[in-house]
Amino acid sequence: EAGVAQSPRYKIIEKRQSVAFWCNPISGHATLYWYQQILGQGPKLLIQFQNNGVVDDSQLPKDRFSAERLKGVDSTLKIQPAKLEDSAVYLCASSLYEGAQGYTFGSGTRLTVV
Amino acid sequence: GEDVEQSLFLSVREGDSSVINCTYTDSSSTYLYWYKQEPGAGLQLLTYIFSNMDMKQDQRLTVLLNKKDKHLSLRIADTQTGDSAIYFCAAAYSGYSTLTFGKGTMLLVSP
Repeated sequence: EAGVAQSPRYKIIEKRQSVAFWCNPISGHATLYWYQQILGQGPKLLIQFQNNGVVDDSQLPKDRFSAERLKGVDSTLKIQPAKLEDSAVYLCASSLYEGAQGYTFGSGTRLTVV
Repeated sequence: GEDVEQSLFLSVREGDSSVINCTYTDSSSTYLYWYKQEPGAGLQLLTYIFSNMDMKQDQRLTVLLNKKDKHLSLRIADTQTGDSAIYFCAAAYSGYSTLTFGKGTMLLVSP
Protein backbone atom coordinates (compact mmCIF):
# COMPACT_ATOMS: atom_id res chain seq x y z
CA GLU A 1 0.00 0.00 0.00
CA ALA A 2 1.12 3.55 -0.60
CA GLY A 3 2.50 5.35 2.43
CA VAL A 4 1.62 8.68 3.97
CA ALA A 5 2.48 11.42 1.48
CA GLN A 6 3.63 14.85 2.59
CA SER A 7 4.64 17.94 0.68
CA PRO A 8 6.73 19.91 0.35
CA ARG A 9 9.79 18.05 1.67
CA TYR A 10 11.59 21.28 2.48
CA LYS A 11 10.55 24.88 2.98
CA ILE A 12 12.52 27.98 3.87
CA ILE A 13 10.62 31.14 4.77
CA GLU A 14 11.27 34.40 6.52
CA LYS A 15 9.77 35.08 9.91
CA ARG A 16 6.28 36.56 9.82
CA GLN A 17 5.55 34.84 6.51
CA SER A 18 2.90 32.16 6.08
CA VAL A 19 3.41 28.52 5.16
CA ALA A 20 1.20 25.50 4.55
CA PHE A 21 1.92 21.80 4.62
CA TRP A 22 -0.11 19.07 3.01
CA CYS A 23 -0.65 15.47 4.03
CA ASN A 24 -2.37 12.62 2.23
CA PRO A 25 -2.88 9.66 4.58
CA ILE A 26 -3.10 6.02 3.68
CA SER A 27 -6.40 5.27 2.01
CA GLY A 28 -9.05 4.30 4.52
CA HIS A 29 -7.17 5.53 7.57
CA ALA A 30 -9.64 7.40 9.73
CA THR A 31 -7.20 8.90 12.21
CA LEU A 32 -4.65 11.54 11.20
CA TYR A 33 -2.02 13.20 13.36
CA TRP A 34 0.32 16.16 12.95
CA TYR A 35 3.50 16.09 15.01
CA GLN A 36 6.21 18.74 15.38
CA GLN A 37 9.78 17.49 15.77
CA ILE A 38 12.29 20.15 16.79
CA LEU A 39 15.92 19.24 16.21
CA GLY A 40 17.25 17.05 19.00
CA GLN A 41 13.81 16.34 20.43
CA GLY A 42 11.14 13.72 20.06
CA PRO A 43 7.98 14.40 18.10
CA LYS A 44 5.28 16.36 19.88
CA LEU A 45 1.61 16.03 18.96
CA LEU A 46 0.04 19.16 17.53
CA ILE A 47 -3.38 17.89 16.50
CA GLN A 48 -5.31 14.64 16.04
CA PHE A 49 -8.24 14.18 13.67
CA GLN A 50 -10.76 11.37 13.62
CA ASN A 51 -12.27 11.51 10.14
CA ASN A 52 -12.80 15.27 9.70
CA GLY A 53 -13.34 16.06 13.38
CA VAL A 54 -10.69 17.28 15.82
CA VAL A 55 -10.02 14.87 18.70
CA ASP A 56 -7.13 16.67 20.40
CA ASP A 57 -5.63 20.06 19.61
CA SER A 58 -4.59 20.96 23.13
CA GLN A 59 -0.95 21.51 22.15
CA LEU A 60 -1.61 23.43 18.96
CA PRO A 61 -0.60 27.13 19.25
CA LYS A 62 -3.90 28.35 17.95
CA ASP A 63 -2.84 31.97 17.67
CA ARG A 64 -0.66 31.06 14.70
CA PHE A 65 -1.28 27.42 13.77
CA SER A 66 -4.38 26.04 12.11
CA ALA A 67 -5.23 22.69 10.59
CA GLU A 68 -8.10 21.19 8.71
CA ARG A 69 -9.03 17.86 7.27
CA LEU A 70 -11.60 18.29 4.58
CA LYS A 71 -13.84 15.33 3.77
CA GLY A 72 -11.90 13.22 6.23
CA VAL A 73 -9.03 12.55 3.83
CA ASP A 74 -6.25 15.06 3.07
CA SER A 75 -5.12 17.53 5.69
CA THR A 76 -3.34 20.87 5.67
CA LEU A 77 -1.41 22.50 8.49
CA LYS A 78 -0.83 26.25 8.29
CA ILE A 79 1.40 28.61 10.21
CA GLN A 80 0.67 32.31 10.04
CA PRO A 81 2.80 34.23 10.92
CA ALA A 82 5.84 32.01 11.36
CA LYS A 83 8.38 32.52 14.12
CA LEU A 84 12.00 31.40 14.29
CA GLU A 85 11.09 28.77 16.90
CA ASP A 86 8.74 27.10 14.42
CA SER A 87 11.77 25.68 12.59
CA ALA A 88 11.23 21.95 12.82
CA VAL A 89 10.17 18.86 10.93
CA TYR A 90 6.41 18.51 10.67
CA LEU A 91 5.38 14.89 10.57
CA CYS A 92 2.02 13.58 9.50
CA ALA A 93 0.85 10.12 10.57
CA SER A 94 -2.28 8.12 9.98
CA SER A 95 -3.83 5.01 11.45
CA LEU A 96 -6.67 2.74 10.51
CA TYR A 97 -8.00 2.98 14.02
CA GLU A 98 -6.98 4.85 17.12
CA GLY A 99 -3.95 3.20 18.62
CA ALA A 100 -0.30 3.31 17.72
CA GLN A 101 -0.18 -0.23 16.42
CA GLY A 102 -1.55 1.25 13.26
CA TYR A 103 0.52 4.46 13.03
CA THR A 104 2.30 5.11 9.75
CA PHE A 105 4.43 8.24 9.53
CA GLY A 106 5.20 10.29 6.45
CA SER A 107 8.73 11.49 5.72
CA GLY A 108 7.91 14.96 7.02
CA THR A 109 8.33 18.55 5.90
CA ARG A 110 11.46 20.30 7.14
CA LEU A 111 10.68 23.96 7.81
CA THR A 112 13.40 26.54 8.30
CA VAL A 113 12.36 30.02 9.42
CA VAL A 114 15.04 32.66 8.92
CA GLY B 1 1.57 14.44 32.09
CA GLU B 2 3.81 11.67 30.91
CA ASP B 3 7.54 12.24 30.64
CA VAL B 4 9.80 9.85 28.73
CA GLU B 5 13.58 9.90 29.17
CA GLN B 6 16.30 8.24 27.12
CA SER B 7 20.07 8.34 26.99
CA LEU B 8 21.15 10.44 24.03
CA PHE B 9 23.91 8.42 22.42
CA LEU B 10 25.17 4.85 22.09
CA SER B 11 28.13 3.61 20.09
CA VAL B 12 28.77 -0.08 19.40
CA ARG B 13 30.80 -2.20 17.05
CA GLU B 14 29.22 -4.27 14.31
CA GLY B 15 28.23 -7.69 15.57
CA ASP B 16 27.87 -6.59 19.20
CA SER B 17 24.55 -6.30 21.00
CA SER B 18 23.06 -2.86 21.58
CA VAL B 19 20.89 -2.00 24.55
CA ILE B 20 18.90 1.23 24.50
CA ASN B 21 17.20 2.26 27.72
CA CYS B 22 14.12 4.33 28.45
CA THR B 23 12.25 5.42 31.55
CA TYR B 24 8.74 6.81 31.80
CA THR B 25 6.94 8.47 34.64
CA ASP B 26 3.26 7.66 34.27
CA SER B 27 2.41 4.23 35.67
CA SER B 28 -0.86 4.43 33.74
CA SER B 29 1.03 4.03 30.46
CA THR B 30 0.05 0.64 29.19
CA TYR B 31 1.37 0.74 25.63
CA LEU B 32 5.11 1.22 25.12
CA TYR B 33 6.77 1.51 21.74
CA TRP B 34 10.09 1.66 20.00
CA TYR B 35 10.43 3.65 16.77
CA LYS B 36 13.41 4.00 14.45
CA GLN B 37 14.20 7.15 12.49
CA GLU B 38 16.80 7.21 9.75
CA PRO B 39 18.15 10.53 8.39
CA GLY B 40 15.54 12.42 6.40
CA ALA B 41 12.89 9.81 7.00
CA GLY B 42 9.78 9.48 9.10
CA LEU B 43 9.41 7.21 12.09
CA GLN B 44 9.20 3.47 11.60
CA LEU B 45 7.48 1.37 14.25
CA LEU B 46 9.88 -1.38 15.33
CA THR B 47 7.96 -3.08 18.08
CA TYR B 48 5.64 -2.48 20.99
CA ILE B 49 4.82 -4.10 24.30
CA PHE B 50 1.80 -4.02 26.58
CA SER B 51 2.24 -3.36 30.27
CA ASN B 52 1.00 -6.83 31.18
CA MET B 53 4.08 -8.30 29.48
CA ASP B 54 7.65 -8.52 30.75
CA MET B 55 9.37 -9.37 27.51
CA LYS B 56 8.75 -9.48 23.81
CA GLN B 57 11.09 -10.91 21.19
CA ASP B 58 10.94 -10.27 17.48
CA GLN B 59 13.86 -11.62 15.46
CA ARG B 60 16.92 -9.58 16.50
CA LEU B 61 14.89 -7.31 18.77
CA THR B 62 14.14 -8.00 22.44
CA VAL B 63 12.07 -5.62 24.54
CA LEU B 64 12.22 -5.85 28.31
CA LEU B 65 9.75 -4.05 30.56
CA ASN B 66 10.18 -3.48 34.27
CA LYS B 67 6.83 -2.01 35.19
CA LYS B 68 7.77 -1.50 38.84
CA ASP B 69 10.70 0.73 37.90
CA LYS B 70 8.93 2.09 34.79
CA HIS B 71 11.95 1.07 32.72
CA LEU B 72 11.92 -0.16 29.15
CA SER B 73 14.85 -1.44 27.13
CA LEU B 74 15.43 -2.44 23.53
CA ARG B 75 18.14 -4.97 22.79
CA ILE B 76 19.36 -5.38 19.23
CA ALA B 77 21.34 -8.57 18.71
CA ASP B 78 24.14 -8.77 16.14
CA THR B 79 23.98 -5.04 15.47
CA GLN B 80 24.66 -4.05 11.86
CA THR B 81 25.79 -0.75 10.33
CA GLY B 82 22.30 -0.45 8.86
CA ASP B 83 20.95 -0.22 12.41
CA SER B 84 22.59 3.19 12.81
CA ALA B 85 19.70 5.58 13.41
CA ILE B 86 17.84 7.42 16.13
CA TYR B 87 15.63 5.22 18.31
CA PHE B 88 12.62 6.71 20.08
CA CYS B 89 10.80 5.30 23.03
CA ALA B 90 7.13 6.30 23.27
CA ALA B 91 4.34 5.71 25.76
CA ALA B 92 0.57 5.84 25.60
CA TYR B 93 -2.14 5.50 28.17
CA SER B 94 -4.16 3.26 25.94
CA GLY B 95 -4.39 2.12 22.37
CA TYR B 96 -6.75 5.04 21.87
CA SER B 97 -4.51 7.80 23.20
CA THR B 98 -1.71 9.67 21.52
CA LEU B 99 1.97 8.99 22.01
CA THR B 100 4.49 10.79 24.21
CA PHE B 101 7.98 10.43 22.79
CA GLY B 102 11.39 10.57 24.39
CA LYS B 103 14.12 12.71 22.84
CA GLY B 104 15.65 9.75 21.07
CA THR B 105 18.89 7.76 21.34
CA MET B 106 21.34 8.03 18.49
CA LEU B 107 22.86 4.62 17.80
CA LEU B 108 26.14 4.61 15.90
CA VAL B 109 27.41 1.25 14.67
CA SER B 110 31.01 1.14 13.55
CA PRO B 111 32.50 -1.59 11.32
